[in-house]
Amino acid sequence: GENVEQHPSTLSVQEGDSAVIKCTYSDSASNYFPWYKQELGKRPQLIIDIRSNVGEKKDQRIAVTLNKTAKHFSLHITETQPEDSAVYFCAASIAPGGYQKVTFGTGTKLQVIP
Amino acid sequence: DGGITQSPKYLFRKEGQNVTLSCEQNLNHDAMYWYRQDPGQGLRLIYYSQIVNDFQKGDIAEGYSVSREKKESFPLTVTSAQKNPTAFYLCASRAISDTYEEQYFGPGTRLTVT
Repeated sequence: GENVEQHPSTLSVQEGDSAVIKCTYSDSASNYFPWYKQELGKRPQLIIDIRSNVGEKKDQRIAVTLNKTAKHFSLHITETQPEDSAVYFCAASIAPGGYQKVTFGTGTKLQVIP
Repeated sequence: DGGITQSPKYLFRKEGQNVTLSCEQNLNHDAMYWYRQDPGQGLRLIYYSQIVNDFQKGDIAEGYSVSREKKESFPLTVTSAQKNPTAFYLCASRAISDTYEEQYFGPGTRLTVT
């Protein structure tokens, strides 16, 4: 089955600096890569996603890059703010037989220091 | 509040008892998922279902059971066979389409078994 590895597990940055979270996946059939943000005590929410036919996608201060050959993808947050502090999960999705099974990484706890 | 609800928010049970966690959605989504979240281990898939009366085992299905008698409902039973049931359980749903793949998460149920 699919295996998603995520690094680092914790990340502290100064407010205004950039943060980068990296993930690798094992199954070359994966074709959809979402990123979720989970604030303390709340549910995970989708913040950005990318499909395998796209190399990069940007939405204001966040961007995601995908390298299909190397099977890795990354989340970039620029000009970090205290409200960016949360746990971030990457995921890889396969659709075997019409079902979509999503495999999540182990999460990165991001702390933005004011 | 996202259209997907889980109840109760906190649940306490004695070891050896079965317990059922509720998940309801009014988003008219076809697919529903159950995840378990433990510290440092991210989100692990327990069961998922794409249509009524059909469901598939995820990565950690042992000791759990589900049913999907209605499109809106996907209850999870944690049986006494689950060796370490204390965890945070998240339910999610997703619309099935070629372009729409986001999973919406419920608020979660924190189960404590003593």
